[in-house]
Amino acid sequence: QSVLTQPPSASGTPGQRVTISCSGSSSNIGSNTVNWFQQLPGTAPTLLIYSHNQRPSGVPDRFSDSKSGTSASLAISGLQSEDEADYYCAAWDDSLNALLFGGGTKLTVL
Amino acid sequence: EVQLVESGGGLVQPGGSLKLSCAASGFTFSGSGMHWVRQASGKGLEWVGRIRSKANSYATAYAASVKGRFTISRDDSKNTAYLQMNSLKTEDTAVYYCIRRYCSGGSCFSDYWGQGTLVTVSS
Repeated sequence: QSVLTQPPSASGTPGQRVTISCSGSSSNIGSNTVNWFQQLPGTAPTLLIYSHNQRPSGVPDRFSDSKSGTSASLAISGLQSEDEADYYCAAWDDSLNALLFGGGTKLTVL
Repeated sequence: EVQLVESGGGLVQPGGSLKLSCAASGFTFSGSGMHWVRQASGKGLEWVGRIRSKANSYATAYAASVKGRFTISRDDSKNTAYLQMNSLKTEDTAVYYCIRRYCSGGSCFSDYWGQGTLVTVSS
């Protein structure tokens, strides 16, 4: 059971905007940077976004993130078929002295 | 070009040992924290542990599920991190990824991932 809670699935049609939530606590999301990762089928995860819209080179600005208190969210606008993947949030936990991952959200583009 | 290349995976019997290596290039390895993350087939990501840089005293930390059985080390002269796994259990079967975790300007992020190496624990 993951300490960071994500919905197991999400879906949308091309062009839609979808959001994925990630809920934690004061010792992780509440006090540390949240990273979001994308894992395409059969590949290693890649860093998607962190710390309020900081994106690695090549990540389109259709992806955005936000954080409020002990919750964070990833938003994808202008949904495309290539966005179909698993998405994970992660944050360091100061109490557990561990990096925590959410359970992952499988995004389906209908 | 940044590369993290894991090696050393394979089939091992329960109770056995295995040592994974992660060879890094394309970034300042000595100044980076290195983590190991695993993923069982069809499952989510699970953090295994980390080793910080020399500037942070090479401090290590481990997930409760592997503490006392796994050891992370590094050789900055070889730009390589290691994961020594002892007393392996069937539930340790997974793809193991090494990742670079870097902190700058108050934000920490895991920006580089290896391709992963498969560890199978089975009799």
